[in-house]
Amino acid sequence: DAGVIQSPRHEVTEMGQEVTLRCKPISGHDYLFWYRQTMMRGLELLIYFNNNVPIDDSGMPEDRFSAKMPNASFSTLKIQPSEPRDSAVYFCASSFGSRGPLFYEQYFGPGTRLTVT
Amino acid sequence: AQSVTQLGSHVSVSEGALVLLRCNYSSSVPPYLFWYVQYPNQGLQLLLKYTTGATLVKGINGFEAEFKKSETSFHLTKPSAHMSDAAEYFCAVSPSGTYKYIFGTGTRLKVLA
Repeated sequence: DAGVIQSPRHEVTEMGQEVTLRCKPISGHDYLFWYRQTMMRGLELLIYFNNNVPIDDSGMPEDRFSAKMPNASFSTLKIQPSEPRDSAVYFCASSFGSRGPLFYEQYFGPGTRLTVT
Repeated sequence: AQSVTQLGSHVSVSEGALVLLRCNYSSSVPPYLFWYVQYPNQGLQLLLKYTTGATLVKGINGFEAEFKKSETSFHLTKPSAHMSDAAEYFCAVSPSGTYKYIFGTGTRLKVLA
């Protein structure tokens, strides 16, 4: 398996521009998570989906952030408009929710490093 | 509310020495507990987890952790450090019945030759 795939790996954009981050979860996983990692705040859960449905978006910082999962193999995290304080590494992770040896294990992608100037 | 505390943001050990990374949690319900490792410019990789059963859990790369309910701790150990163990380590808690992780702030391990 290729693991969780994220694109782009690096994104540099100017303040005010729209940014879209993409994630392809591991095939067969039914949970998908978006995290943000910064030096100041560490790893924060932004939102997670189960079977393509958003379950908890309480970590989304503000209305400028939105996430979608149109199908089981693709999710996006969008920031519009972007601001310098959004600069961070954004991780996508996926998990298999059914009972079994892999229960509750989250598998992380390599991350997207976002820089907003 | 659940929380995770990792004591020591930076830990240095000599190659071959014992590695001990500390993690304490607070949870009103029995939690599931995890340790992840992050190498530079990479995502997080699961080292080990505790859900139920045996409280001493063995993971990859020779690491193990023991769940101590009375101490609300889940410390990570490795008998002999290798240079390749240099990385950042994160403890996480997931209250049973949810799929959310709450991560600690991380401990950066440095291994000295």
